[in-house]
Amino acid sequence: KNEVEQSPQNLTAQEGEFITINCSYSVGISALHWLQQHPGGGIVSLFMLSSGKKKHGRLIATINIQEKHSSLHITASHPRDSAVYICAVRSGGYNQFYFGTGTSLTVIP
Amino acid sequence: GAVVSQHPSRVICKSGTSVKIECRSLDFQATTMFWYRQFPKQSLMLMATSNEGSKATYEQGVEKDKFLINHASLTLSTLTVTSAHPEDSSFYICSANRDNGYTFGSGTRLTVV
Repeated sequence: KNEVEQSPQNLTAQEGEFITINCSYSVGISALHWLQQHPGGGIVSLFMLSSGKKKHGRLIATINIQEKHSSLHITASHPRDSAVYICAVRSGGYNQFYFGTGTSLTVIP
Repeated sequence: GAVVSQHPSRVICKSGTSVKIECRSLDFQATTMFWYRQFPKQSLMLMATSNEGSKATYEQGVEKDKFLINHASLTLSTLTVTSAHPEDSSFYICSANRDNGYTFGSGTRLTVV
């Protein structure tokens, strides 16, 4: 069993739709990261969370420490949001990272 | 913002040769950098932690003699894939920590033929 589970694995949405990607984890964490990986492979760090909620533009990330669950929301989705979104948790030691397998999002115009 | 430059972005090499990948922090000093590998349709996997001025720490199952890591300065870490084989073909990416956030390089797609 993976330490980090994401759902859904694949997601297709119409432009303008509200999108939610979920992440559950089974280890104690010091922080949770949401990453965006574009088709060329480059990765951008979207959020780092240890509690509560963060918002950046159309992106919102929440975390519930007690339930060991985080969600990434995209409001008013756009084709340029098409990418793989990866949930990663930092646990225990400084360099212990566990990654989800990613959610592949396609937004259709 | 913090920028990590990774070079080259793509490389094709012959089996048995060695390939060096560079990861530079452009506007900050990174005492620690991380190297990841990603096989097709799989998630990132941490290979090793690169520490400036000391030996790298490798994850279980990663051969330290095959994946040589050098972190000789506060702005540069290199990963050398030695005696590359087709099964080493993968996407390699580095990241560095700054102000408790993580910045990623753009990645290197290695193809060994």
